[in-house]
Amino acid sequence: EIVLTQSPATLSLSPGERATLSCRASQGVSSYLAWYQQKPGQAPRLLIYDASNRATGIPARFSGSGPGTDFTLTISSLEPEDFAVYYCQQRSNWGIAFGQGTRLEIK
Amino acid sequence: QVQLVQSGAEVKKPGASVKVSCKASGYTFTSYGISWVRQAPGQGLEWMGWISAYNGNTNYAQKLQGRVTMTTDTSTSTAYMELRSLRSDDTAVYYCARDEVSSPGYWFDPWGQGTLVTVSS
Repeated sequence: EIVLTQSPATLSLSPGERATLSCRASQGVSSYLAWYQQKPGQAPRLLIYDASNRATGIPARFSGSGPGTDFTLTISSLEPEDFAVYYCQQRSNWGIAFGQGTRLEIK
Repeated sequence: QVQLVQSGAEVKKPGASVKVSCKASGYTFTSYGISWVRQAPGQGLEWMGWISAYNGNTNYAQKLQGRVTMTTDTSTSTAYMELRSLRSDDTAVYYCARDEVSSPGYWFDPWGQGTLVTVSS
C-alpha cells in the first residue's frame, strides 16, 4: 500500500502571497499524481493531473511539479477564492490513495 | 457540459444496504469509467472502487471487498454503487467521479455533487 503525506497540515497566508503545498509518496509513483481543491460543502475539483498539467479552466497561478516521490502544488499569488483544502491523489501498482489534505487558511 | 448528478440523501439502519445512483450527461458514457470516493464527516477522501462503463470491469478497494458492488446502466448513462451491511463508520458523503475507461485512478474529473449516507439506529 502506498501512503501520501501532505505538508503542512495547515498553511496560513495572506492574499497575494505565494503558497507551496507538498505531497510525499512512500514509494515512487511516476507522474500519476493529481491535485484537487475542495471548498466547504462542495465536491472536490480537479486542478492538476499527471503532476504538472492544469485541468481545463484552471487559472495559470496554479502549477504542479514532480514526478518521483516529492510533488509540489504552487499557487503563485493567492486570490480570496483559493482558501480551501487541497488533496493530492495517486495511482500506482499498489493502489489508489489520497493524501490527508492541506488546509489553506487566510492569515 | 459534462455533469454527474447523484441521488438524494439516505438514512439507513446498521446492517441495511444503500444504493446510490450517478447519472452522467454531456459525454459518451461508455468511453469512460466511474470511480466512487467517500468522505466521512470532517475527514479526508477515500477511494472505494471503479467500474468501466465500456465493459463493466470493476476494481474495488480491498477494505470494501465483499460489501460493495458497482454497476452501470448504459441505456440511461447511470452508474450505481451499492454498499451492504452498513455500519456507523460508513456514514459519509459518497461521490461519483468520471475516471478512465480501462483502469482507475489517473485523475477524477468531474465529480458528482455528493450523496450523504447516514447510518444510525
